[in-house]
Amino acid sequence: QKEVEQNSGPLSVPEGAIASLNCTYSDRGSQSFFWYRQYSGKSPELIMFIYSNGDKEDGRFTAQLNKASQYVSLLIRDSQPSDSATYLCAVNKGNTGNQFYFGTGTSLTVIP
Amino acid sequence: DTEVTQTPKHLVMGMTNKKSLKCEQHMGHRAMYWYKQKAKKPPELMFVYSYEKLSINESVPSRFSPECPNSSLLNLHLHALQPEDSALYLCASSYLTSNEKLFFGSGTQLSVL
Repeated sequence: QKEVEQNSGPLSVPEGAIASLNCTYSDRGSQSFFWYRQYSGKSPELIMFIYSNGDKEDGRFTAQLNKASQYVSLLIRDSQPSDSATYLCAVNKGNTGNQFYFGTGTSLTVIP
Repeated sequence: DTEVTQTPKHLVMGMTNKKSLKCEQHMGHRAMYWYKQKAKKPPELMFVYSYEKLSINESVPSRFSPECPNSSLLNLHLHALQPEDSALYLCASSYLTSNEKLFFGSGTQLSVL
């Protein structure tokens, strides 16, 4: 079983719509959860992190965590063409912050 | 300074060459990582250094040899690589307390001929 699983997509949404990205993880002991955005040929860039159950909002981005269901999601409101990228879900399994594992990523295209 | 700096940005090497990738951070992070990323795949953990000691080696072939000379520097020595080792090599760093975030460098795009 993979540590972190994502729907690889591709996901296409029209400009201005809400994009919804999902992720599940296998280890119940996982401590913290991250969403990275990666443009083609570039390195991953941290856009959201969440540690507690519930929602966390930052601008157009909302991360949602449900530890009972081992499920993390990312909502992007008012999607823009510049949001077109691969979104990687990452999980930190360790208590001391040194076991980060990544999902396969979801490719998002925002259509103007 | 919130950057992780990697050099070189691009590297082409033959299968008999020896080369090194370098990574530097000045954020006071005590954990440093090497990841390998093939096209359209997620980053794959290779090595983790905690307090300059190797704490995780994800069964990486010995042709990859990591080194952490001090808390700010991380090297990856390459020798006798294969064409399938061609990939983007990412360095990252983080603090070692709970719930810390991982910050990536811009990567080295490696091609093995």
